[in-house]
Amino acid sequence: QKEVEQDPGPLSVPEGAIVSLNCTYSNSAFQYFMWYRQYSRKGPELLMYTYSSGNKEDGRFTAQVDKSSKYISLFIRDSQPSDSATYLCAMSAAGRRALTFGSGTRLQVQP
Amino acid sequence: DAGITQSPRHKVTETGTPVTLRCHQTENHRYMYWYRQDPGHGLRLIHYSYGVKDTDKGEVSDGYSVSRSKTEDFLLTLESATSSQTSVYFCAISAKEVDTQYFGPGTRLTVL
Repeated sequence: QKEVEQDPGPLSVPEGAIVSLNCTYSNSAFQYFMWYRQYSRKGPELLMYTYSSGNKEDGRFTAQVDKSSKYISLFIRDSQPSDSATYLCAMSAAGRRALTFGSGTRLQVQP
Repeated sequence: DAGITQSPRHKVTETGTPVTLRCHQTENHRYMYWYRQDPGHGLRLIHYSYGVKDTDKGEVSDGYSVSRSKTEDFLLTLESATSSQTSVYFCAISAKEVDTQYFGPGTRLTVL
């Protein structure tokens, strides 16, 4: 079983919708949580970074971490066609030197 | 992709040939990583470096070696390429041990 699970999608929504992207994980030691956005044939770019539990908001993006459920979410408000990309969750723990990634969810926002 | 370049960006090679991919950074970050990305597997760590001449293996290191002789350069070598190594390879850097990583533009490698 993978340490981090992520639904591959594709997830198709109309422009303006609220999008919810999720990852579950099995390692309770994970404390650092990130979301990356990857456009086709490009490298992943960092969107959000959260330490431990709680919410973090940046513009149209909100990241939530629920450590008791081992569940993290990324919400996108007022989604735009330019948000169409693959979204990767990533996480790590103290003492680990590398990130563990989910396999990514492909999002399509229809104009 | 600012501050991180990868070369070549595309390469087609034949089975059994050696291949070296280069990652160059201008951020002076201590930590550098090589990942491969394949459909259904996401990003998987091949090797990483925590300083000049200091490297360690990741989860999919078989068939790969790395070297880091300068802070800014991290080389990934496939000693004898196989078709299973056809993939997109990404380099990443970070300033601290457990920290956000920043990715290069990737190298698309095809082994025939």
